[in-house]
Amino acid sequence: DTEVTQTPKHLVMGMTNKKSLKCEQHMGHRAMYWYKQKAKKPPELMFVYSYEKLSINESVPSRFSPECPNSSLLNLHLHALQPEDSALYLCASSQDRQGANTGELFFGEGSRLTVL
Amino acid sequence: EDKVVQSPLSLVVHEGDTVTLNCSYEVTNFRSLLWYKQEKKAPTFLFMLTSSGIEKKSGRLSSILDKKELFSILNITATQTGDSAVYLCAVLGGPLVFGKGTRLSVIA
Repeated sequence: DTEVTQTPKHLVMGMTNKKSLKCEQHMGHRAMYWYKQKAKKPPELMFVYSYEKLSINESVPSRFSPECPNSSLLNLHLHALQPEDSALYLCASSQDRQGANTGELFFGEGSRLTVL
Repeated sequence: EDKVVQSPLSLVVHEGDTVTLNCSYEVTNFRSLLWYKQEKKAPTFLFMLTSSGIEKKSGRLSSILDKKELFSILNITATQTGDSAVYLCAVLGGPLVFGKGTRLSVIA
């Protein structure tokens, strides 16, 4: 079982809805990540939080809004999404930011998002 | 721009076969190379390689890194149907960069 927990596992939303994806880890990790993965493609980095501060935003549209309320939690707020945003959204954590350690990420099982 | 290329993109083998998956990379400030296995959902960590020529082994899986030629291989011996998955190679320079993966199908 993964030690990174994501909820919900599945989400279907319309283009006018506002929803949030949640991620939680209790490994004491200080870096947390959001990745987006489309079918048959590798994960693509969206955001990196390090010590609860946003350190990397990979030019993600503003309809995706991350939030890190504390060192154990990471949210991704969704608003006015498009059908092409449908994907598996993976949360991951690591001991500290990838640039400072050797990059061992622990992934959650993902939230599969469908935008109608 | 950092780049990771995996080959083959897909592979079908019979149970008991041995397979070799390849990963080549171009990255500035190389720190480590990682292998992940992804079945239906989350990628699961297999190996992290930082030094050339030192084989990492876990059961039937093993991996080695060549930092001079900029590649790594992942070997799986005596394959089983449970090995069917996408195997992702990722390289850490700046942010982690993933290859497109090799989809391995093991048939009984």
